[in-house]
Amino acid sequence: ILNVEQSPQSLHVQEGDSTNFTCSFPSSNFYALHWYRWETAKSPEALFVMTLNGDEKKKGRISATLNTKEGYSYLYIKGSQPEDSATYLCASHPTSGTYKYIFGTGTRLKVLA
Amino acid sequence: DSGVTQTPKHLITATGQRVTLRCSPRSGDLSVYWYQQSLDQGLQFLIQYYNGEERAKGNILERFSAQQFPDLHSELNLSSLELGDSALYFCASSKAYRGSTEAFFGQGTRLTVV
Repeated sequence: ILNVEQSPQSLHVQEGDSTNFTCSFPSSNFYALHWYRWETAKSPEALFVMTLNGDEKKKGRISATLNTKEGYSYLYIKGSQPEDSATYLCASHPTSGTYKYIFGTGTRLKVLA
Repeated sequence: DSGVTQTPKHLITATGQRVTLRCSPRSGDLSVYWYQQSLDQGLQFLIQYYNGEERAKGNILERFSAQQFPDLHSELNLSSLELGDSALYFCASSKAYRGSTEAFFGQGTRLTVV
C-alpha cells in the first residue's frame, strides 16, 4: 500500500466494552508510526511513537502493537469510557529523504454510556 | 495545553489576499511542522523546519511558503488566497527532526477565505 489506511472508519461501542482499530502503512522504508487521539474542537494529542517491530506500548487502558514487516499497527482500548470518544489517527513516518508524515483518515470512536 | 502556540486562532480574509500564520513551538523543540486540514479531508503535511532549515516538503502549494526564525518560531505565509484555501492550519513541534519523538500540536488557525 502507498497510503496509510485505518479501519474501521467509525465505531460505536457500549461503555465497558473493549475495542481495537487497525492502521495499515507502507512497510518499506518504515521509520516510525505515531498514534494520536483527536477530540472534537481540540488538537491532536500524541498517544504513542513506535519504531521497532514487535513494539508494544501502553498508556492506562490504551495500548498499541506494531508489525513493521507486514505494515500494520493495532490500537486497543480496554473497558471503553465515554471520555474515550474521539478520532484516533495514525501517521506513518517513512525513511525517505523527505521525512514526511502520512496520516490516515482516522477511526471515529463513540462510546455510549 | 501542549505548549505550542498558534496565532491567530481565527482569520477571515478575501480572495487574492495574503496572510501570515504564526507558530511558537514548545520550549526545547527544534522541529516545526505545518499541516492543513480542509473540510472532509484528513491532515495533510505541508512542510517541516528543523533549527531554522527546511527539512521536508509535503503537499505545499507554490503560493504558500514558510520559514523558521532564530528564536525557532515559524510563520506560514499564504498568498493569492483562493476559496479552497479555507481550512484549519495546524502547527506541531517535536525535539527530533525525524519521527522518533512525539509531536505536539497547537490549537490551530482556522482560515476562512471569502
